[in-house]
Amino acid sequence: DGGITQSPKYLFRKEGQNVTLSCEQNLNHDAMYWYRQDPGQGLRLIYYSQIVNDFQKGDIAEGYSVSREKKESFPLTVTSAQKNPTAFYLCASSIDLGNTEAFFGQGTRLTVV
Amino acid sequence: GQSLEQPSEVTAVEGAIVQINCTYQTSGFYGLSWYQQHDGGAPTFLSYNALDGLEETGRFSSFLSRSDSYGYLLLQELQMKDSASYFCAVRDPSSGGSYIPTFGRGTSLIVHP
Repeated sequence: DGGITQSPKYLFRKEGQNVTLSCEQNLNHDAMYWYRQDPGQGLRLIYYSQIVNDFQKGDIAEGYSVSREKKESFPLTVTSAQKNPTAFYLCASSIDLGNTEAFFGQGTRLTVV
Repeated sequence: GQSLEQPSEVTAVEGAIVQINCTYQTSGFYGLSWYQQHDGGAPTFLSYNALDGLEETGRFSSFLSRSDSYGYLLLQELQMKDSASYFCAVRDPSSGGSYIPTFGRGTSLIVHP
Protein backbone atom coordinates (compact mmCIF):
# COMPACT_ATOMS: atom_id res chain seq x y z
CA ASP A 1 0.00 0.00 0.00
CA GLY A 2 1.23 3.49 -0.82
CA GLY A 3 1.69 5.92 2.00
CA ILE A 4 3.95 8.10 4.07
CA THR A 5 5.72 6.69 7.11
CA GLN A 6 7.25 8.51 10.01
CA SER A 7 9.41 6.91 12.63
CA PRO A 8 9.62 6.64 15.50
CA LYS A 9 6.16 7.50 16.83
CA TYR A 10 7.56 8.60 20.20
CA LEU A 11 11.06 9.93 20.81
CA PHE A 12 12.75 11.08 23.98
CA ARG A 13 16.02 12.98 24.00
CA LYS A 14 18.14 14.83 26.47
CA GLU A 15 18.47 18.57 26.16
CA GLY A 16 21.41 19.59 23.99
CA GLN A 17 21.35 16.50 21.76
CA ASN A 18 20.57 16.54 18.07
CA VAL A 19 17.89 14.13 16.92
CA THR A 20 16.76 13.05 13.46
CA LEU A 21 13.17 12.23 12.57
CA SER A 22 12.55 9.92 9.65
CA CYS A 23 10.01 10.44 6.87
CA GLU A 24 9.61 8.06 3.92
CA GLN A 25 6.98 8.02 1.18
CA ASN A 26 6.29 5.57 -1.62
CA LEU A 27 3.67 7.69 -3.36
CA ASN A 28 6.14 8.97 -5.96
CA HIS A 29 5.44 12.51 -4.82
CA ASP A 30 7.86 15.29 -5.68
CA ALA A 31 6.95 17.68 -2.85
CA MET A 32 7.52 16.98 0.82
CA TYR A 33 6.96 19.10 3.93
CA TRP A 34 7.67 19.18 7.63
CA TYR A 35 5.22 20.80 10.05
CA ARG A 36 5.34 21.32 13.76
CA GLN A 37 2.14 21.12 15.78
CA ASP A 38 1.75 22.59 19.26
CA PRO A 39 -1.53 22.79 21.22
CA GLY A 40 -3.58 25.72 19.98
CA GLN A 41 -1.03 26.62 17.31
CA GLY A 42 -2.21 24.58 14.37
CA LEU A 43 0.41 23.35 11.89
CA ARG A 44 3.43 25.54 11.28
CA LEU A 45 5.75 24.95 8.35
CA ILE A 46 9.39 24.14 9.14
CA TYR A 47 10.87 23.16 5.76
CA TYR A 48 9.65 22.03 2.39
CA SER A 49 11.18 20.41 -0.65
CA GLN A 50 9.92 20.70 -4.19
CA ILE A 51 12.29 18.15 -5.69
CA VAL A 52 15.32 16.02 -4.90
CA ASN A 53 18.38 17.98 -3.72
CA ASP A 54 16.31 21.11 -3.18
CA PHE A 55 14.65 22.42 -0.03
CA GLN A 56 13.49 25.75 1.34
CA LYS A 57 12.95 27.21 4.80
CA GLY A 58 9.43 27.61 6.10
CA ASP A 59 8.11 29.94 8.77
CA ILE A 60 9.95 28.38 11.74
CA ALA A 61 13.15 26.85 10.30
CA GLU A 62 15.53 28.09 12.99
CA GLY A 63 17.09 25.20 14.91
CA TYR A 64 16.13 22.62 12.28
CA SER A 65 17.84 21.12 9.26
CA VAL A 66 16.75 18.79 6.46
CA SER A 67 18.12 16.88 3.49
CA ARG A 68 16.51 15.51 0.34
CA GLU A 69 18.99 13.09 -1.20
CA LYS A 70 16.29 10.71 -2.41
CA LYS A 71 12.81 11.38 -3.70
CA GLU A 72 11.34 9.02 -1.10
CA SER A 73 13.07 10.43 1.97
CA PHE A 74 13.00 13.80 3.76
CA PRO A 75 14.56 13.48 7.23
CA LEU A 76 14.37 16.32 9.74
CA THR A 77 17.11 17.02 12.28
CA VAL A 78 16.17 18.91 15.41
CA THR A 79 19.37 20.52 16.58
CA SER A 80 20.44 21.73 19.99
CA ALA A 81 19.87 25.28 18.72
CA GLN A 82 16.10 24.74 18.72
CA LYS A 83 15.02 26.40 21.96
CA ASN A 84 11.75 24.56 22.49
CA PRO A 85 11.89 21.27 20.58
CA THR A 86 9.21 19.33 22.45
CA ALA A 87 6.32 19.06 19.99
CA PHE A 88 4.41 16.84 17.58
CA TYR A 89 6.13 16.73 14.17
CA LEU A 90 4.21 15.92 11.00
CA CYS A 91 5.67 15.07 7.62
CA ALA A 92 3.55 15.43 4.49
CA SER A 93 3.86 14.99 0.75
CA SER A 94 1.96 16.00 -2.36
CA ILE A 95 2.30 15.23 -6.06
CA ASP A 96 3.87 18.65 -6.51
CA LEU A 97 3.82 22.03 -4.81
CA GLY A 98 0.81 23.11 -6.86
CA ASN A 99 -1.37 20.17 -5.81
CA THR A 100 -4.27 20.80 -3.46
CA GLU A 101 -4.11 17.55 -1.48
CA ALA A 102 -1.36 16.74 0.99
CA PHE A 103 -0.87 13.30 2.53
CA PHE A 104 0.40 13.16 6.09
CA GLY A 105 2.36 10.66 8.13
CA GLN A 106 1.23 9.57 11.59
CA GLY A 107 3.62 11.99 13.25
CA THR A 108 6.48 11.80 15.74
CA ARG A 109 6.00 13.11 19.24
CA LEU A 110 9.36 14.41 20.44
CA THR A 111 9.94 15.05 24.11
CA VAL A 112 13.15 16.68 25.25
CA VAL A 113 14.00 16.27 28.92
CA GLY B 1 1.54 36.84 4.08
CA GLN B 2 -1.62 35.14 5.12
CA SER B 3 -3.82 34.44 8.12
CA LEU B 4 -6.73 32.10 8.71
CA GLU B 5 -9.28 32.37 11.49
CA GLN B 6 -11.49 29.56 12.72
CA PRO B 7 -13.26 28.94 16.06
CA SER B 8 -11.19 27.02 18.57
CA GLU B 9 -14.00 24.69 19.63
CA VAL B 10 -17.48 23.65 18.55
CA THR B 11 -19.78 21.22 20.35
CA ALA B 12 -22.85 19.42 19.02
CA VAL B 13 -24.96 16.35 19.68
CA GLU B 14 -25.05 13.15 17.71
CA GLY B 15 -27.30 13.36 14.66
CA ALA B 16 -27.13 17.17 14.47
CA ILE B 17 -25.65 19.45 11.82
CA VAL B 18 -22.65 21.63 12.57
CA GLN B 19 -20.87 24.35 10.60
CA ILE B 20 -17.20 25.23 11.07
CA ASN B 21 -16.27 28.63 9.65
CA CYS B 22 -12.98 29.84 8.24
CA THR B 23 -12.04 33.35 7.20
CA TYR B 24 -8.77 34.08 5.47
CA GLN B 25 -6.51 36.90 4.43
CA THR B 26 -3.97 36.01 1.79
CA SER B 27 -1.74 37.84 -0.64
CA GLY B 28 -3.02 35.52 -3.33
CA PHE B 29 -5.77 32.91 -3.30
CA TYR B 30 -5.67 29.48 -4.88
CA GLY B 31 -8.46 27.65 -3.12
CA LEU B 32 -9.51 26.51 0.35
CA SER B 33 -8.97 23.00 1.67
CA TRP B 34 -10.24 21.19 4.75
CA TYR B 35 -8.51 18.49 6.78
CA GLN B 36 -9.63 16.28 9.66
CA GLN B 37 -7.31 15.15 12.42
CA HIS B 38 -8.20 12.75 15.20
CA ASP B 39 -6.32 13.19 18.44
CA GLY B 40 -2.68 12.15 18.01
CA GLY B 41 -3.21 11.09 14.40
CA ALA B 42 -2.44 12.24 10.90
CA PRO B 43 -4.47 14.99 9.24
CA THR B 44 -6.49 13.64 6.34
CA PHE B 45 -7.78 15.60 3.38
CA LEU B 46 -11.54 16.18 3.26
CA SER B 47 -12.31 18.68 0.52
CA TYR B 48 -11.13 21.51 -1.69
CA ASN B 49 -12.93 24.55 -3.09
CA ALA B 50 -11.38 26.64 -5.82
CA LEU B 51 -14.56 28.35 -6.95
CA ASP B 52 -17.54 29.85 -5.13
CA GLY B 53 -20.29 27.53 -4.04
CA LEU B 54 -20.93 24.29 -2.26
CA GLU B 55 -19.07 21.01 -2.75
CA GLU B 56 -20.74 17.94 -1.30
CA THR B 57 -19.05 14.68 -0.36
CA GLY B 58 -21.38 12.40 1.54
CA ARG B 59 -22.17 13.80 4.98
CA PHE B 60 -19.57 16.54 4.56
CA SER B 61 -19.96 19.68 2.46
CA SER B 62 -17.65 22.64 2.00
CA PHE B 63 -18.57 26.13 0.90
CA LEU B 64 -16.52 29.03 -0.42
CA SER B 65 -17.23 32.71 -1.01
CA ARG B 66 -14.17 34.37 -2.52
CA SER B 67 -15.71 37.84 -2.37
CA ASP B 68 -16.12 37.45 1.41
CA SER B 69 -12.83 35.58 1.94
CA TYR B 70 -14.87 33.02 3.80
CA GLY B 71 -15.60 29.35 3.74
CA TYR B 72 -17.15 26.71 5.92
CA LEU B 73 -17.27 22.99 6.46
CA LEU B 74 -20.72 21.52 7.07
CA LEU B 75 -21.06 18.18 8.80
CA GLN B 76 -24.45 16.49 8.73
CA GLU B 77 -25.85 13.55 10.67
CA LEU B 78 -23.06 13.87 13.18
CA GLN B 79 -21.54 10.70 14.57
CA MET B 80 -19.34 10.22 17.61
CA LYS B 81 -16.42 9.37 15.33
CA ASP B 82 -16.62 12.90 13.88
CA SER B 83 -15.11 14.22 17.12
CA ALA B 84 -11.78 15.55 15.87
CA SER B 85 -9.95 18.73 14.93
CA TYR B 86 -10.75 20.33 11.61
CA PHE B 87 -8.30 22.60 9.81
CA CYS B 88 -8.85 24.93 6.93
CA ALA B 89 -5.87 25.55 4.67
CA VAL B 90 -4.93 27.83 1.81
CA ARG B 91 -2.06 27.74 -0.60
CA ASP B 92 0.42 30.50 0.07
CA PRO B 93 2.31 31.86 -2.94
CA SER B 94 5.75 32.21 -1.43
CA SER B 95 8.36 34.56 -2.73
CA GLY B 96 9.70 31.73 -4.87
CA GLY B 97 6.38 31.38 -6.67
CA SER B 98 5.57 28.09 -5.01
CA TYR B 99 2.29 27.31 -3.31
CA ILE B 100 2.72 25.91 0.17
CA PRO B 101 -0.22 24.58 2.19
CA THR B 102 -0.78 26.98 5.11
CA PHE B 103 -3.09 25.87 7.90
CA GLY B 104 -5.40 27.57 10.35
CA ARG B 105 -5.16 26.80 14.07
CA GLY B 106 -7.90 24.20 13.88
CA THR B 107 -11.36 23.76 15.36
CA SER B 108 -11.93 21.04 17.93
CA LEU B 109 -15.33 19.42 17.31
CA ILE B 110 -16.82 17.60 20.28
CA VAL B 111 -19.82 15.41 19.54
CA HIS B 112 -21.96 14.42 22.52
CA PRO B 113 -24.33 11.44 22.61
